[in-house]
Amino acid sequence: RKEVEQDPGPFNVPEGATVAFNCTYSNSASQSFFWYRQDCRKEPKLLMSVYSSGNEDGRFTAQLNRASQYISLLIRDSKLSDSATYLCVVNVLTGGFKTIFGAGTRLFVKA
Amino acid sequence: DAGVIQSPRHEVTEMGQEVTLRCKPISGHDYLFWYRQTMMRGLELLIYFNNNVPIDDSGMPEDRFSAKMPNASFSTLKIQPSEPRDSAVYFCASSPEGGYTEAFFGQGTRLTVV
Repeated sequence: RKEVEQDPGPFNVPEGATVAFNCTYSNSASQSFFWYRQDCRKEPKLLMSVYSSGNEDGRFTAQLNRASQYISLLIRDSKLSDSATYLCVVNVLTGGFKTIFGAGTRLFVKA
Repeated sequence: DAGVIQSPRHEVTEMGQEVTLRCKPISGHDYLFWYRQTMMRGLELLIYFNNNVPIDDSGMPEDRFSAKMPNASFSTLKIQPSEPRDSAVYFCASSPEGGYTEAFFGQGTRLTVV
């Protein structure tokens, strides 16, 4: 079993749709969580951090469920510019820490 | 700040040659990371440094790979000898507080070994 698992997609949605991605992690020592966005042939960039209380940034909402060991990302009112790969990132404390990226979920938003 | 700067952007080399990738992190960031991304394996952490000291190199695939950080503003990832399976995009990233804060990525080096 992979340490961080995501549905690879692709998700094909029309503009204006709401889409949700889930990510599960296996290590209960995971401490911090993020969603990154990666455009085609570009570097990953932070989309948002994920907090236990959940957090929202405009059309994006991230949630963490420690008991079930998953995080989620909800995108409302999808835009064409949201088309990208969304990477789930988990940091595990191991004395130092270990950063693990999920394989990513591809999203295509169509006009 | 110019962000994380990597060079070269593209590298094509023949199998068996030595390849050196370079990275300049964001000034003031104490952590530097080297990642490799392929279609098959996704984004993998190879090694990271804290205050120029290698902390975890468990992701380095084999002895052909080595990384150094001689000072706070420069790091190298070397592959010697290179093999076709090393073909990938190599990213360098830096962050101010390791796993608890955002990592800022460079634009990557696209390596092709023929």
